[in-house]
Amino acid sequence: GAVVSQHPSWVICKSGTSVKIECRSLDFQATTMFWYRQFPKQSLMLMATSNEGSKATYEQGVEKDKFLINHASLTLSTLTVTSAHPEDSSFYICSARDLIRREGHYEQYFGPGTRLTVT
Amino acid sequence: QQPVQSPQAVILREGEDAVINCSSSKALYSVHWYRQKHGEAPVFLMILLKGGEQKGHDKISASFNEKKQQSSLYLTASQLSYSGTYFCGTEKGGYGQNFVFGPGTRLSVLP
Repeated sequence: GAVVSQHPSWVICKSGTSVKIECRSLDFQATTMFWYRQFPKQSLMLMATSNEGSKATYEQGVEKDKFLINHASLTLSTLTVTSAHPEDSSFYICSARDLIRREGHYEQYFGPGTRLTVT
Repeated sequence: QQPVQSPQAVILREGEDAVINCSSSKALYSVHWYRQKHGEAPVFLMILLKGGEQKGHDKISASFNEKKQQSSLYLTASQLSYSGTYFCGTEKGGYGQNFVFGPGTRLSVLP
């Protein structure tokens, strides 16, 4: 299957600083990538859909000015958590969809996740 | 709208079978199944498209009952490595429209 990488794997930052997380599709081009947040023992919650060359689409309740998403190329999307606070501490996971053309549907591949801790 | 999964959690002995259900009140195009181990990202298991599809790999199989808008994941002769949280993901359209994950089912396989 396709490979999606994330960087960094984990980050600890002080309250008020900004953190950038990178998501890359390594062996396929992804016009659309997705950013999820997962709190302990909970399901993955979609934060936003990142489209190459255009603005991201944010889910209801997600502050677009706080979670900046940039999808500058077909293989890279970045999520910047601005002015991070302890309540932003979470596991952030990106995913990219690879169109299985012969079968006419997408399969979704996840990055390994980034654990953010804000102190 | 988030699909419903049942049970919330299950504990098995190695070699036992388990069934995890995923249902939705909305018409579905497909159901995806993932397994996530603690601290790791979800791993894709399989996708079932509408039309009563059934699929399997090794001792893990799944079915999709389009009429009931329900999918079931079958774990046969469970192994220790099967432990983790299983999520179903549903979409209403063929290109990932309104894709949403269920709340998850925590499976623990004991020796």
